[in-house]
Amino acid sequence: SQTIHQWPATLVQPVGSPLSLECTVEGTSNPNLYWYRQAAGRGLQLLFYSVGIGQISSEVPQNLSASRPQDRQFILSSKKLLLSDSGFYLCAWLGFAYNEQFFGPGTRLTVL
Amino acid sequence: AQTVTQSQPEMSVQEAETVTLSCTYDTSENNYYLFWYKQPPSRQMILVIRQEAYKQQNATENRFSVNFQKAAKSFSLKISDSQLGDTAMYFCAFGEYNNDMRFGAGTRLTVKP
Repeated sequence: SQTIHQWPATLVQPVGSPLSLECTVEGTSNPNLYWYRQAAGRGLQLLFYSVGIGQISSEVPQNLSASRPQDRQFILSSKKLLLSDSGFYLCAWLGFAYNEQFFGPGTRLTVL
Repeated sequence: AQTVTQSQPEMSVQEAETVTLSCTYDTSENNYYLFWYKQPPSRQMILVIRQEAYKQQNATENRFSVNFQKAAKSFSLKISDSQLGDTAMYFCAFGEYNNDMRFGAGTRLTVKP
């Protein structure tokens, strides 16, 4: 069966520091992968999606970037964090049968 | 662009009663998928139910059912026999085949004992 992992689960970083969040998927090949951000009590904002290795599409221009170095690995990065980058970050992969997305457990990021 | 609207930011229901969460969407496509996701306090996103637009029959998953009105572009979720564990944020979502998904802003549901 397919599983999706995210780490770290929780992260507290100072403003201006770099960021690297990792997402890996097991049990599937060449999945579409997604990064979302969720502010407290709010909906999901799509940040990036990837249809394959090295292929990244950005939905919202900001100081975040994404990379897909391997088929089942999706990384969210920043060179310098802003206070507004605080939130809950979710990674998801697109199922093949019914087009639903399956989500990882998320990373809670607090920028101080 | 497709949009998804959930007009009820918060709702509450007594345990064992029935509650309906509303969702409307806007699209010019004929073939698409609709979903309801649940996000409990753990914040894990859990798929509750899905509906393919080409199917006229409303989807049902145990105590969860939908009322899909394609012409009206409406997709409501009914939770029967509400349980305390149903307390969560509920997100309506729209997706096209092999394309990204659009989410509503969510409805916070509280089940009261």
